[in-house]
Order: sequence, then structure tokens, then C-alpha cells
Amino acid sequence: GNSVTQMEGPVTLSEEAFLTINCTYTATGYPSLFWYVQYPGEGLQLLLKATKADDKGSNKGFEATYRKETTSFHLEKGSVQVSDSAVYFCALSNGGATNKLIFGTGTLLAVQP
Amino acid sequence: EAGVAQSPRYKIIEKRQSVAFWCNPISGHATLYWYQQILGQGPKLLIQFQNNGVVDDSQLPKDRFSAERLKGVDSTLKIQPAKLEDSAVYLCASSLAGAYQETQYFGPGTRLLVL
Repeated sequence: GNSVTQMEGPVTLSEEAFLTINCTYTATGYPSLFWYVQYPGEGLQLLLKATKADDKGSNKGFEATYRKETTSFHLEKGSVQVSDSAVYFCALSNGGATNKLIFGTGTLLAVQP
Repeated sequence: EAGVAQSPRYKIIEKRQSVAFWCNPISGHATLYWYQQILGQGPKLLIQFQNNGVVDDSQLPKDRFSAERLKGVDSTLKIQPAKLEDSAVYLCASSLAGAYQETQYFGPGTRLLVL
């Protein structure tokens, strides 16, 4: 079946450090891939998405490239800020009759000043 | 534009009691989703509505959970009777038409603790 595997956290970085959060997936066909972010006390927000192989999603300095050959969608940011501290979820949607999202377990990012 | 609204934000009940959660989606969104997020896990879809019809409820424990979306707008999710393992955050989301690759917008969630 369809599934998403994320690197376990927490990830603790100093401000301005480089961030990578790994995400790999298992799916039939050609899923769409998403990164959602959950700030403390808030709901999930879409951070970026990619809908086909080799697409790069980007937003707020974050990027992720849809790699079909490695079934990966790693999240990267060149210079993190304290305000990026949150839980990050990788997810996929595989179409069909339902548009449901299948999420990874989430990765907690803590950025220290 | 107003986002997805949910209430209550927090609820504490004892096992075997019943509880209900309410969701108001973004205006004009035809599709509404309820997800369950257990601590340390990613959200899992419980039920998806398209207008007031059910598209997917394969993961809904129907012996204790029920949901409705009257008039294709607001939705209510009910648990009766609650079990300890139902402690989780219940997230409501909506999207414009439920089409493939469409963005889902999430509410702040209702945090349920069953004692």
C-alpha cells in the first residue's frame, strides 16, 4: 500500500544552519507529494508541493524535489530561523476516488538562537 | 478569507462517555475531511465528504464513531462510547472540490483526552 517514511526527530539546529529532513515514500502510480508544517498551537499548513517527477516545490526558503528514481522528497532550507521551529509532515496523495493524504510521522525541528 | 473553524479546542472525558466535535469549512468548499492524529503519529483520514455524501469512510471505526454533514456545509464527528485509545487530536480539513492534487486546508484541531 501507500506509505511515507520520515526521519525521526527532534532535529535541533542553530540559527542560520542548513536543514535537511528526509522523506521517502512507497506508492503505486504517480502520487503527488506535499510538505505540511504545524507551528505550536496551530493547524497544519501546506508548505509546498510537487505533482510530478523532477518538479521542485518551494516556499518561504524551503525546497523539495520530487525524485521518482529514489522515491524521495527531502525538505531543505539553506538558513533556518528560530521562527521555523515547528513539526514538519511529509505526505502523499495518490488520487483515485478519494483525495486523502497519507502522512509520515512528522519531524520536530527546534532552532536555537 | 476565514479558515476552517473547529470547536471545542480541548475536551476531557471519561471512558465510555460520548463526545462531539464540530467543524465549519471554508466557504464554498465542497469537500470536508476528518483526520485523527494520535500523539507521535501523522494524521490518518477517518472520513471524507463530498457535499453531504460520504466518499471514503474505510478507516472510521463505525461501531463507535459517526459523522454527518448536513446541508453540505458544517460537519459533526461523534464518538460513543469513547475508549482510552481515542485520545488524539481530531483535525478537520476542507478543499474546493476534492480533486486530485488539490490543496487541503486544516483547522486548528480538537484535542481529546479520554481518562
